[in-house]
Amino acid sequence: DAGITQSPRHKVTETGTPVTLRCHQTENHRYMYWYRQDPGHGLRLIHYSYGVKDTDKGEVSDGYSVSRSKTEDFLLTLESATSSQTSVYFCAIKDSGNTIYFGEGSWLTVV
Amino acid sequence: SQQGEEDPQALSIQEGENATMNCSYKTSINNLQWYRQNSGRGLVHLILIRSNEREKHSGRLRVTLDTSKKSSSLLITASRAADTASYFCATDATGGSQGNLIFGKGTKLSVKP
Repeated sequence: DAGITQSPRHKVTETGTPVTLRCHQTENHRYMYWYRQDPGHGLRLIHYSYGVKDTDKGEVSDGYSVSRSKTEDFLLTLESATSSQTSVYFCAIKDSGNTIYFGEGSWLTVV
Repeated sequence: SQQGEEDPQALSIQEGENATMNCSYKTSINNLQWYRQNSGRGLVHLILIRSNEREKHSGRLRVTLDTSKKSSSLLITASRAADTASYFCATDATGGSQGNLIFGKGTKLSVKP
């Protein structure tokens, strides 16, 4: 347990609505990540952050934005949710030894 | 893009037997990490092995790394029903985005009591 909390854990939303997922960490790690996991694709990086207000895109960033206004919180926003964004979303942190720990996941269904 | 490829895709064994899973990757790496995921749950970190290491142990787990062959293996000894899960390798590629682990699709391990 690396002190990572994701919220909400489960959400059903309608196509076209905005959705924000929150990742909260308690151990002051500099690097935070958002991944999505889909059958047949494994885990893929959406965005990551290397400090407050410092973020960069990952492999599958289209349709997503992120913000990090505090060290402990990393928000993932779907501006206008689509059915292709139905997925399981995992937040992760990297510790000082370069080990990457994951949160418990957020299950998002877009109907 | 997929870096790691686990082999086999599925493995079914009896309790008490050893389970070996393999991972191959394509580019130079800084480290390779193994994870376990139970159905409907998050990923649990098992072991990190750095590019200059050849073998690491943690309890019943043994991980090897052969950078010349770009491959790694995870051995679980004396398996238990509770080891039933999917196992993923993930590589931190040299020159890649900071901490952008690239995952394989996993090996689904089933341990029968």
